[in-house]
Amino acid sequence: SSELTQDPAVSVALGQTVRITCQGDSLRSYYASWYQQKPGQAPVLVIYGKNNRPSGIPDRFSGSSSGNTASLTITGAQAEDEADYYCNSRDSSVVVFGGGTKLTVL
Amino acid sequence: EVQLVESGGGLVQPGGSLRLSCAASGFTFSSYWMSWVRQAPGKGLEWVANIKQDGSEKYYVDSVKGRFTISRDNAKNSLYLQMNSLRAEDTAVYYCARDVSINDFWSGYYMYYFDYWGQGTLVTVSS
Repeated sequence: SSELTQDPAVSVALGQTVRITCQGDSLRSYYASWYQQKPGQAPVLVIYGKNNRPSGIPDRFSGSSSGNTASLTITGAQAEDEADYYCNSRDSSVVVFGGGTKLTVL
Repeated sequence: EVQLVESGGGLVQPGGSLRLSCAASGFTFSSYWMSWVRQAPGKGLEWVANIKQDGSEKYYVDSVKGRFTISRDNAKNSLYLQMNSLRAEDTAVYYCARDVSINDFWSGYYMYYFDYWGQGTLVTVSS
């Protein structure tokens, strides 16, 4: 199967730590990449590879992987982190996205 | 600075056609795979198609096979998506994005990601 499964919604208190997960068989061969999308904006890459952040992404964002599950962790969530988060990988020639997780910062 | 700028979206009737363009700048366009990714209103991201650096390989999501064609013109630093036989369910914001695919030999894993995205162009299929 080339599907990626994410929880639809997660909430976190301001300044606390939150983990967003992504499950799929393709993650046994591919690292997940993670994208942040705010309303009306294009997605932005926040994590790629084992645990790499593009330039400009705060170090409170980190990634990890185990078996068929990848995780995006935000340590010390800020109000500006409230957004939709999508995981992504590839299964042979097919590219797949998770359904997205809406993160609410309380 | 890497820039991807989409154009060509608009309102089209069911069964109609539309051609999207993506103008790339700030990097060596001919060295990268490129993709189209779409997002229906209020929905998640869906990969549509991608194309190899020289155009020799193209892949599509099942729902658009036979209707959409991805192409590129490296001399013009441009990516295209020809969309035919459009349906209401094709209504979405269409983004072009730069693909990166790396084999991480040390871990035995592959990396695949989109490191740059355009701002998107809206396609509305409606009568």
